[in-house]
Amino acid sequence: SQTIHQWPATLVQPVGSPLSLECTVEGTSNPNLYWYRQAAGRGLQLLFYSVGIGQISSEVPQNLSASRPQDRQFILSSKKLLLSDSGFYLCAWSRGLAGNREQFFGPGTRLTVL
Amino acid sequence: AQSVTQLGSHVSVSEGALVLLRCNYSSSVPPYLFWYVQYPNQGLQLLLKYTSAATLVKGINGFEAEFKKSETSFHLTKPSAHMSDAAEYFCAVSDGSGGSNYKLTFGKGTLLTVNP
Repeated sequence: SQTIHQWPATLVQPVGSPLSLECTVEGTSNPNLYWYRQAAGRGLQLLFYSVGIGQISSEVPQNLSASRPQDRQFILSSKKLLLSDSGFYLCAWSRGLAGNREQFFGPGTRLTVL
Repeated sequence: AQSVTQLGSHVSVSEGALVLLRCNYSSSVPPYLFWYVQYPNQGLQLLLKYTSAATLVKGINGFEAEFKKSETSFHLTKPSAHMSDAAEYFCAVSDGSGGSNYKLTFGKGTLLTVNP
């Protein structure tokens, strides 16, 4: 069966510090990968998605970036965090073109920027 | 472009009462539709999905949803609420238009409270 991991689970960072959140998927190959941010009362905002190694699509302009160095690894980064980067970050995966498009979510990372 | 509207950001029911969470979608082509549930400080869990087969879809935990093309709706129901159903529920749509085969568009969510 497939599993998805995210770490860390919680993170408190000062404004201006760097960020690195990691997501890995097990039990599948060549998944589509996604990063979402969830702010209070605002639903899920898609930040990035990737259909393959080194292929990153950005959905919103921001000071965040994403990378996919390996097939089942997806990393969210920032060089300098802003207060507005606080939120709950969710990683998700889905099967490729042959799938039914449902996405499977990780447990999330709670980020607080002070 | 696809979009989802969830009517009611907060729904409160009594234990044992009917649960009805509303979702309307906008799509230029036949959509795939999903309901997810999120418990506090957890990721989203898929409840059920519609993928152009039967219009009445049954999911986990006794939930079901009916796809109504004429009303562009995909409302989520459960005959009898349980305390453990208290969570936030998200409706999502994927229509694959505009090269967006890989993306879901989520509603803003409905927080369900179950009163004893």
